[in-house]
Amino acid sequence: DAGVTQSPTHLIKTRGQQVTLRCSPKSGHDTVSWYQQALGQGPQFIFQYYEEEERQRGNFPDRFSGHQFPNYSSELNVNALLLGDSALYLCASSEGQEGYTFGSGTRLTVV
Amino acid sequence: GENVEQHPSTLSVQEGDSAVIKCTYSDSASNYFPWYKQELGKRPQLIIDIRSNVGEKKDQRIAVTLNKTAKHFSLHITETQPEDSAVYFCAASIKGFQKLVFGTGTRLLVSP
Repeated sequence: DAGVTQSPTHLIKTRGQQVTLRCSPKSGHDTVSWYQQALGQGPQFIFQYYEEEERQRGNFPDRFSGHQFPNYSSELNVNALLLGDSALYLCASSEGQEGYTFGSGTRLTVV
Repeated sequence: GENVEQHPSTLSVQEGDSAVIKCTYSDSASNYFPWYKQELGKRPQLIIDIRSNVGEKKDQRIAVTLNKTAKHFSLHITETQPEDSAVYFCAASIKGFQKLVFGTGTRLLVSP
């Protein structure tokens, strides 16, 4: 199955640390978006990457940064972690007029 | 910016009943409206979507309606089954598949 894959699945970090999350898009998809889903809430858009450029960004501080590689895979970096950054981080890929496919997410716990 | 409101927050029905979840969006430029089902601890899965040039779309027991004038769209599930129990999210986006703005979710419980 060439779906969206994310790693790691779970992560525990200490306040102030930095974290990198990784995403491989569905085969044939060239656009990757990242979302943060806090417990009991809907996903919140962080940013979207297309052709290795950040195309759109949500209301997240500069501590959240990303990158897209030539093979369309992507990374989400979060610096200076806060307790409030604890959430499920979802990656979604898409291509043209085809809808989003979400990965299973990385559950980040900041202690 | 775009805002999506979703109601109700929880919905309990008996197996075989119908369930309706409603969403309202704020930006009239929105042109793509997907619905996602998320089971506990799992990824959101697209169950149906509709574009702004269509008023209604059906897929077996699931249907979505869109009223562009009122900026409302709704999810209809008929003949509900216990496996339909999950959290359902509506979303809206502008320019197709860029930023999705999600509603707050509806927890649907279908009792046998």
